[in-house]
Formats: sequence, structure tokens, C-alpha cells
Amino acid sequence: SQQGEEDPQALSIQEGENATMNCSYKTSINNLQWYRQNSGRGLVHLILIRSNEREKHSGRLRVTLDTSKKSSSLLITASRAADTASYFCATGGGAQKLVFGQGTRLTINP
Amino acid sequence: DTEVTQTPKHLVMGMTNKKSLKCEQHMGHRAMYWYKQKAKKPPELMFVYSYEKLSINESVPSRFSPECPNSSLLNLHLHALQPEDSALYLCASSQVQGQGNYEQYFGPGTRLTVT
Repeated sequence: SQQGEEDPQALSIQEGENATMNCSYKTSINNLQWYRQNSGRGLVHLILIRSNEREKHSGRLRVTLDTSKKSSSLLITASRAADTASYFCATGGGAQKLVFGQGTRLTINP
Repeated sequence: DTEVTQTPKHLVMGMTNKKSLKCEQHMGHRAMYWYKQKAKKPPELMFVYSYEKLSINESVPSRFSPECPNSSLLNLHLHALQPEDSALYLCASSQVQGQGNYEQYFGPGTRLTVT
């Protein structure tokens, strides 16, 4: 079964607002990763949070991890039109094996 | 150089054709991956090469044949594909970690259409 499940499936907000998307997973993890994919293109790695970390920041991105609830969230602050993309969480399914969540399609409206 | 390149960008092939997808990276990564992605779905892992040896095959049909000629190159040979194989094929690379997962670097993908 899919390791990571995300919600919402789609999110539409105004430019400048914050966007939050959530990911839940089922088994124990070493780390959890977030990726962005612009329409029809390759994925770009955004951030990796280890299982012993609770929060991590990178620019306008803030990721939290709650291993007791098996969940993570990605917050994008002060959104821009260029943030329009699909966002996927990914967890390890074994050595060198990533399993991706279903993804959140984020649309930033000008 | 943190780029993974893939050729071709687009490919249209008939069900009787034989074609190959190519992927290249020069980051010194010793793990390379093929993923298949259908529209509005997440990438699905197909194959993993670790130190140029096939380490994971996710029960992919034999009409897909991977090859890793050296540590920088990864090929995916296609033969007798079906229309349902039409998808975006993504290549990725990463460092190798024993039981964990490093971040993966993805190429832009090859958009494959089987007619």
C-alpha cells in the first residue's frame, strides 16, 4: 500500500497567502522528503527531515514531522505564482527505495 | 554539476518498435533509478541500480529492459510496448546509503506515447 498519503489533493490560494499540505505515512521511517514537480517535468528535491528532527526550515519552506502521529506537514509562506506545482512527500520503502504520496496540486492565483 | 539529463524529451513509438531512453549524470552518484509516472499520479519506481548492478526490479514487464553501462549512464530499452505504457519516464540518481534514503536528483523526463 502507498506509504505516504497527502491532503488536500488540491489547494488553490491567492498569491501572498500561506499554503499548508499534510502527509501521513504508515511505517517507521529514517527520514521523510518533500519534492516539487512543475507540470509535466522532473521532480525537484525540496527538503529532507530525519526521524529525530521535529522541524526544519529552508527559505520560505517549513517542514514538521510528528513520528508519534506518523505525519508531516509542508508550509510555504508568502506564496508566489512560481510555487504553482504538485508537491509530493516520500518515505523510504527499503534501501534506495522511495515511495511517494499521491501529491497535492497547489495553484497560486495572482 | 547537479543535473540529470534525459533523452529524448518526447518519443512516439508503435507497438512493434524498439527504442531506448537514455539518462546521464555526472554527480558521482552510484544509485540510479527509473520511474514511470501517469498523469496526476505519483512516480512509481520501476528499477534501481546500485553500483551498476540491478538491485530492485518492481515486477516490471520484460518489454522494459534496463541497462547500466557505467556509473554515469542508465538506459531503458523498450520493445513491444502497449498503449497503456504511455507515460512520463523519469530517471533519477542519488548517493547510496545502506538502509536509508538520500535525496534523489531527477531528470526532466521522457514523455512516451505508444500508438
